[in-house]
Amino acid sequence: KQEVTQIPAALSVPEGENLVLNCSFTDSAIYNLQWFRQDPGKGLTSLLLIQSSQREQTSGRLNASLDKSSGRSTLYIAASQPGDSATYLCALGAGKSTFGDGTTLTVKP
Amino acid sequence: KAGVTQTPRYLIKTRGQQVTLSCSPISGHRSVSWYQQTPGQGLQFLFEYFSETQRNKGNFPGRFSGRQFSNSRSEMNVSTLELGDSALYLCASSRGGTGYSDGYTFGSGTRLTVV
Repeated sequence: KQEVTQIPAALSVPEGENLVLNCSFTDSAIYNLQWFRQDPGKGLTSLLLIQSSQREQTSGRLNASLDKSSGRSTLYIAASQPGDSATYLCALGAGKSTFGDGTTLTVKP
Repeated sequence: KAGVTQTPRYLIKTRGQQVTLSCSPISGHRSVSWYQQTPGQGLQFLFEYFSETQRNKGNFPGRFSGRQFSNSRSEMNVSTLELGDSALYLCASSRGGTGYSDGYTFGSGTRLTVV
């Protein structure tokens, strides 16, 4: 059974700081890994999708990497802004996707 | 293009009642998945439908059921509501082709409160 762990559970940083969110998983037989952000009471917004054959994806200030051999993915956020404050979740596979519990990020002005 | 549409956005029901939630996927997407999100349990997978057939199922009691129509729209039904069913219900759509290589697009969710 796939288990997904996101560390840290919460993170507070000053504006402008670069930061890394971690996602680890137990089963490397995945089809893809997707990073989402969720604002309070809202749905999930897709940030980046990494196919199993890929190592990383980039979008603007965001960069996500995938290392299946070690069961890890990282989401790198450059020059953080208060608008980045949200909960970030990683999800593995599709169909019966498995989600981590998320990292709640607060970026202080 | 239009995103994933979930209706209604909010619902208040009484214990013992039943409820039906609706999800319209992105045009061309044939897979619809449903999730329950609560503060204590996080995001939990309910079921996935693809081309009108349930393709995957999570570990929820039989009170939770769903279906998908020929236009890919999906409905989720919860019968005999319990207080613990209060949650944000999210649906996600994808093209759903073989290999499961597509990512998901989520709707804004339906907030169900059972009183």
